[in-house]
Amino acid sequence: EAGVTQFPSHSVIEKGQTVTLRCDPISGHDNLYWYRRVMGKEIKFLLHFVKESKQDESGMPNNRFLAERTGGTYSTLKVQPAELEDSGVYFCASSQVGATGNTIYFGEGSWLTVV
Amino acid sequence: AQSVTQLDSQVPVFEEAPVELRCNYSSSVSVYLFWYVQYPNQGLQLLLKYLSGSTLVKGINGFEAEFNKSQTSFHLRKPSVHISDTAEYFCALTKWGFQKLVFGTGTRLLVSP
Repeated sequence: EAGVTQFPSHSVIEKGQTVTLRCDPISGHDNLYWYRRVMGKEIKFLLHFVKESKQDESGMPNNRFLAERTGGTYSTLKVQPAELEDSGVYFCASSQVGATGNTIYFGEGSWLTVV
Repeated sequence: AQSVTQLDSQVPVFEEAPVELRCNYSSSVSVYLFWYVQYPNQGLQLLLKYLSGSTLVKGINGFEAEFNKSQTSFHLRKPSVHISDTAEYFCALTKWGFQKLVFGTGTRLLVSP
């Protein structure tokens, strides 16, 4: 069974450009999460989808970030326009809906460098 | 609010030696606790988790952790490490009834021959 897959694995863009990150969760997982790790700091929660609905987007840093999950399958995270401080690793994760404590599975991350 | 503290940013150890990676948490409500590992060029992988029951939790690859409510700790241990255990280890928690993980800053375990 395929795990959580993310694309692209690495991206280098200039300040002011747009980048779109894609995440395909594990099949059957209705919960989908985005997390981010800025260099040397902790991994921080960005948002949580249940199917196509945003359950919690309290971690989204500002309105330059837009996450979508049309149809409740894959998700995209768009950064527009990108700033230098947006550099970091963006992790996508998924889990089954049900009791809390269910294992959350992470992808390998999308490394974003803004220059 | 909840928080997780991993005081050791890096832990060097020789192969076959025991290791303990420390994790302390702060929360006014009950939480679930997790340890994740990130091997070089890979994603985060769940090592083990504490939900309830026995305070000693065994995970994959010979790791175990002990939940200590009075000391608000969840330290990770392995009696004998291998070169292949070189990775970054993250302690995390989530509140009961919620899905959002709160992570510590991570500890790099460096195993040398």
